[in-house]
Parts: sequence; structure tokens; C-alpha cells
Amino acid sequence: AQSVAQPEDQVNVAEGNPLTVKCTYSVSGNPYLFWYVQYPNRGLQFLLKYITGDNLVKGSYGFEAEFNKSQTSFHLKKPSALVSDSALYFCAVRRPYSGAGSYQLTFGKGTKLSVIP
Amino acid sequence: ETGVTQTPRHLVMGMTNKKSLKCEQHLGHNAMYWYKQSAKKPLELMFVYNFKEQTENNSVPSRFSPECPNSSHLFLHLHTLQPEDSALYLCASSQDGEAGGPRETQYFGPGTRLLVL
Repeated sequence: AQSVAQPEDQVNVAEGNPLTVKCTYSVSGNPYLFWYVQYPNRGLQFLLKYITGDNLVKGSYGFEAEFNKSQTSFHLKKPSALVSDSALYFCAVRRPYSGAGSYQLTFGKGTKLSVIP
Repeated sequence: ETGVTQTPRHLVMGMTNKKSLKCEQHLGHNAMYWYKQSAKKPLELMFVYNFKEQTENNSVPSRFSPECPNSSHLFLHLHTLQPEDSALYLCASSQDGEAGGPRETQYFGPGTRLLVL
């Protein structure tokens, strides 16, 4: 079984400061990892993903995430937070494609990010 | 978000009503999904369709009935719902069956906010 943990329900950060939203995962095999963002009354928007290659992945809106296999983590980061980054962030994992079985995307519970002006 | 559209955006229904949610994707994808998002719970995958065939049903009660007439459209038929079914219902699509590559990302619609009285 695969799972995702987002240990913080809420993260508060001052505008202009760096932000980190934490995610750890459990999956058999090499993981496919994703970050999504959800603004109020909106669906989930894709931010970035890790499939293979460079452990540091760059995505939309200046966000990046670092894959750490030994710590089974995929933390989301941004060097300088904006008030407009305030939203709900979801980490997700699935196992790699092998031709059969379930390829469900398993989501974490979400972390609410509040950027304070 | 315009790649995946959902109607209606809001729905209020009584427990004896029958209604349907509609999802349409304009991305040329071959897989579509229904998710349920309840407050303070992780996203729950309900159904998966791949090439119009239902490939997953995550123990969803029979009062929810999906229909996928073609690879661009997905419906969720609702009847005799319970108040605990009130939630945001999200549709997503992806191009599955590929090993790696950007098309495995799931793209979400804006959701239908359902209230069951």
C-alpha cells in the first residue's frame, strides 16, 4: 500500500521569507511524486512532479521540490513567499507504471499555507 | 483549469432527488477520474475510467453511479444521497499507459460543490 504524510496542517510564513511545505511518502518501487495547489472554491492545479532524474524539480510560480530517497521525502519550497501563494497544498504519490494493477494517485491531507503581509 | 470543465459548479439536492454531475475534458486524454473531497479528509478516489472502461471502483456506495460514454465525457449520477455525501466532487483526466513523461499528470476540473439536505 502507498501513503503520503503531510505532517503540518498549517504553515504560516511572512511575505518575502522562504517557505517549506513538508511531505513524506511510502510506496513500493521508485515513486512518482506530485504537488498540487488548491485555491478557495477551485479545483487542484498541478505544480510540479518528480518521475526520474535530477532530485531538484522546478515547477510553476517559482516553486521547487527536492526528492530525497533516503528520507522518503518530497518537500515543496519557494525562496520568497508571496501573499498570493496562500492556498491549500497537496502532495501525492503513485507507483511507476509496470503494465498491470492499480495506479492510484494517493494524496496527503493537505497543508494550508498562509503568507502574512 | 479550462482543460477540464465541470457542471454544475454548485448543487443542492434533497435525499430523494436524482441528479447528475457532468465532466468534460478537452485535453485528448484517455483516462478520467471522480474524486470526493470532504473537509479535513484526504481526497478519495471514487472511480477510474480508462478508454471508457471502468477500471477502478473504490468501494463506492451504489447511490453513486458513473457513466463514461466516450473518452471526453464523464458523468456521476446521484440518487437517494445522504447528508454525509455533501462534499466537493472533483473530476480529473490524464493520459495513462505511458511509462514516464508529462502525460501521466492528472489535471483537475474546478469541482461541483454538493449539498445534500
